[in-house]
Amino acid sequence: KAGVTQTPRYLIKTRGQQVTLSCSPISGHRSVSWYQQTPGQGLQFLFEYFSETQRNKGNFPGRFSGRQFSNSRSEMNVSTLELGDSALYLCASSDLSGGGSHTGELFFGEGSRLTVL
Amino acid sequence: KNQVEQSPQSLIILEGKNCTLQCNYTVSPFSNLRWYKQDTGRGPVSLTIMTFSENTKSNGRYTATLDADTKQSSLHITASQLSDSASYICVVSRTGGGNKLTFGTGTQLKVEL
Repeated sequence: KAGVTQTPRYLIKTRGQQVTLSCSPISGHRSVSWYQQTPGQGLQFLFEYFSETQRNKGNFPGRFSGRQFSNSRSEMNVSTLELGDSALYLCASSDLSGGGSHTGELFFGEGSRLTVL
Repeated sequence: KNQVEQSPQSLIILEGKNCTLQCNYTVSPFSNLRWYKQDTGRGPVSLTIMTFSENTKSNGRYTATLDADTKQSSLHITASQLSDSASYICVVSRTGGGNKLTFGTGTQLKVEL
């Protein structure tokens, strides 16, 4: 069974640009959540989708958005990039409602490393 | 405020030695506590998940303990190997609405020859 796939793995952008990251969950998983990871900050929750609906959202500005498609694949978009957006963006999938964060297992992808110059 | 604090921030040990990582939390109401291992540049991988009623759970050379009364957990690594070099992240889940996971900032472990 294939794991969580994130693309691209690495990308470099300049300030003011926008970026779209993609996440394909494990087959059969309907929940996808996104996290930003920076040195010293740990993983910060961005948002969570289940069956194409955003269920929860973290404390990030409106420049960060996401969506989920009918095949459970998810994308996140960051507009008007800032230097501080440089980070590893991780996607996790779960087979339980609500992202499985209550009792279920989270399976993480390898992440997309974004560098903003 | 829901918080998870891990100690130490970083740790260096010799191969073959044991070590223990700590996690204290204030998350409430508690649902479960998870330990993840994250290799550099990779995504986190689950080691253990413990619910309120579980005191100890093992996964190979990794043994996690949970004291729900004092809100403390530890991850013990036995006979460390070079491949154990990674960041170990404690994550606490709560019940109720909204985002349910609170992440610690991790303990960076380095195992040396």
